[in-house]
Amino acid sequence: KAGVTQTPRYLIKTRGQQVTLSCSPISGHRSVSWYQQTPGQGLQFLFEYFSETQRNKGNFPGRFSGRQFSNSRSEMNVSTLELGDSALYLCASSLRLAGGQETQYFGPGTRLLVL
Amino acid sequence: GENVEQHPSTLSVQEGDSAVIKCTYSDSASNYFPWYKQELGKRPQLIIDIRSNVGEKKDQRIAVTLNKTAKHFSLHITETQPEDSAVYFCAASKSNQGGKLIFGQGTELSVKP
Repeated sequence: KAGVTQTPRYLIKTRGQQVTLSCSPISGHRSVSWYQQTPGQGLQFLFEYFSETQRNKGNFPGRFSGRQFSNSRSEMNVSTLELGDSALYLCASSLRLAGGQETQYFGPGTRLLVL
Repeated sequence: GENVEQHPSTLSVQEGDSAVIKCTYSDSASNYFPWYKQELGKRPQLIIDIRSNVGEKKDQRIAVTLNKTAKHFSLHITETQPEDSAVYFCAASKSNQGGKLIFGQGTELSVKP
């Protein structure tokens, strides 16, 4: 099976702009989680989508949003970009069977630089 | 709130030695504990995981132990090799938030030949 893919891989934006990142999960996986990775804060959970619904949310401002489509592909959007949003954004997919936790498989990430 | 503390932040060992990384979690409802390895410029990859109904799990040179009472879990790597050099992350999650992993800050392991 193909792994988790993310596009674009690299992105440069300026403050105030908005950005949309895309994640395609492993075929058959219905859960997509998003994480922000920075040298200072490490890996921080943004949100999880399952069956087109946001199931969990981390402690990020409302400028960070996401959605999931019927084919399980997910997008996240960051509006009004700030310098501190520069980070590697990782998505991870899992089967997310009822009542348990399954392995999350990570994509290669999108590296966002905000100037 | 939920928190996972990981120690040490850096670890240097000689090839063939053992390495131990320790994590402590705050939420007693956590019941799933994966470990990820991230090489420079690469994605995190799961190396081993453990669930709260098990105290220890082993996979070749890698083992994880869990102490639910103390809310500690540890990664043990034996007979380390240079290719084990990477950043290792522990994480925790709970059943009703299965898609939400709370990560430790990471341990940069360096294995010197």
